[in-house]
Amino acid sequence: AQSVTQLGSHVSVSEGALVLLRCNYSSSVPPYLFWYVQYPNQGLQLLLKYTSAATLVKGINDFEAEFKKSETSFHLTKPSAHMSDAAEYFCAVSESNQGGKLIFGQGTELSVKP
Amino acid sequence: NAGVTQTPKFQVLKTGQSMTLQCAQDMNHNSMYWYRQDPGMGLRLIYYSASEGTTDKGEVPNGYNVSRLNKREFSLRLESAAPSQTSVYFCASSERRSGNTIYFGEGSWLTVV
Repeated sequence: AQSVTQLGSHVSVSEGALVLLRCNYSSSVPPYLFWYVQYPNQGLQLLLKYTSAATLVKGINDFEAEFKKSETSFHLTKPSAHMSDAAEYFCAVSESNQGGKLIFGQGTELSVKP
Repeated sequence: NAGVTQTPKFQVLKTGQSMTLQCAQDMNHNSMYWYRQDPGMGLRLIYYSASEGTTDKGEVPNGYNVSRLNKREFSLRLESAAPSQTSVYFCASSERRSGNTIYFGEGSWLTVV
């Protein structure tokens, strides 16, 4: 069965610092992987997704993630954090034989200090 | 751009009451979903509908029923609300193929007292 683990329920960085949010997945077939962002009291918005093309995926707001099959990871990074990046981030997996359903990780809340 | 619209946004229920959360999408998507979000648990799939006329259970279906009224609308019903169903509920939609982006509504905050 597929699953997603996000390491760290809360990450705090200083403005301008590197953002690294970790995601590991378990899947018996080639996965599709997603990162979503949720701002307070809002729905989820897609940041980026991996669908078996390039392993380095670029998303909105300078976020990117790298699919590493050997490590079963899909970590999210951003070179320089902005105050506006403070939000909750969710990693999710969809298997190729499961239609569009997503299985989500527990979420990581990102705080950005001035 | 409306996207996925769900109502109501906020609701307080007493234990044992029933209610229906409504959801509609205007993107002509085949698949629709209901998730619940609880602190520290991410989003968990309650029910989904791969296409008009079909519905299937997700990870946490107990205590819920759904109706895919037509291609646009997918409702979630709580027949006898329990405090454990206090949560934020999200409706979502996508094309049916794996790898397609799922689009979410703004959420419905439900409190059962």
